[in-house]
Amino acid sequence: GAVVSQHPSRVICKSGTSVKIECRSLDFQATTMFWYRQFPKQSLMLMATSNEGSKATYEQGVEKDKFLINHASLTLSTLTVTSAHPEDSSFYICSARGYGQGNNGYTFGSGTRLTVV
Amino acid sequence: DAKTTQPTSMDCAEGRAANLPCNHSTISGNEYVYWYRQIHSQGPQYIIHGLKNNETNEMASLIITEDRKSSTLILPHATLRDTAVYYCIVRGNSGNTPLVFGKGTRLSVIA
Repeated sequence: GAVVSQHPSRVICKSGTSVKIECRSLDFQATTMFWYRQFPKQSLMLMATSNEGSKATYEQGVEKDKFLINHASLTLSTLTVTSAHPEDSSFYICSARGYGQGNNGYTFGSGTRLTVV
Repeated sequence: DAKTTQPTSMDCAEGRAANLPCNHSTISGNEYVYWYRQIHSQGPQYIIHGLKNNETNEMASLIITEDRKSSTLILPHATLRDTAVYYCIVRGNSGNTPLVFGKGTRLSVIA
């Protein structure tokens, strides 16, 4: 079945630094990537939607200059958390949709737990 | 996309069937019902989806009422590894709109 590989699974960074999270579609072409974050004991909240080769569309309240999304190829999308602060500590999850994926249509990565100290 | 309502939590004895309900009274004719689950600290896992007919796969069965205003996910023989948060999501099956997650049902399978 369709697989999305998300790395790193865990990262700890110092306040003020930047962190990049990668999501790769391994056996299908991801034309659209969705990025979510999840705070403890809460549901997944959509942050942004990106289509390959286009600028991402951000949800209300999500700072586009802080959460940089790149989706330059059909197999790779990245989320960079810039100038991270402790309140950015969260679980970040990508979800890909595209060609050759099967009838489910949404494949999720395994998530990245970001801790900012 | 139509909103869904699920119980906050449920318990199920190991080996018994787990029946998870979902209300989606504002569902429209072209919207599908999707079920995903999330085991702690992992990404959501697809379980099953359907439009109006009942569906079954190796993981679960989905029973959709005739008026499509509610559905039930059935795990026929729950195991401890089925302990997770289960999300019922309604969306159309075209375009690239995202899945919108509600609060889901926390299922605890008890030995």
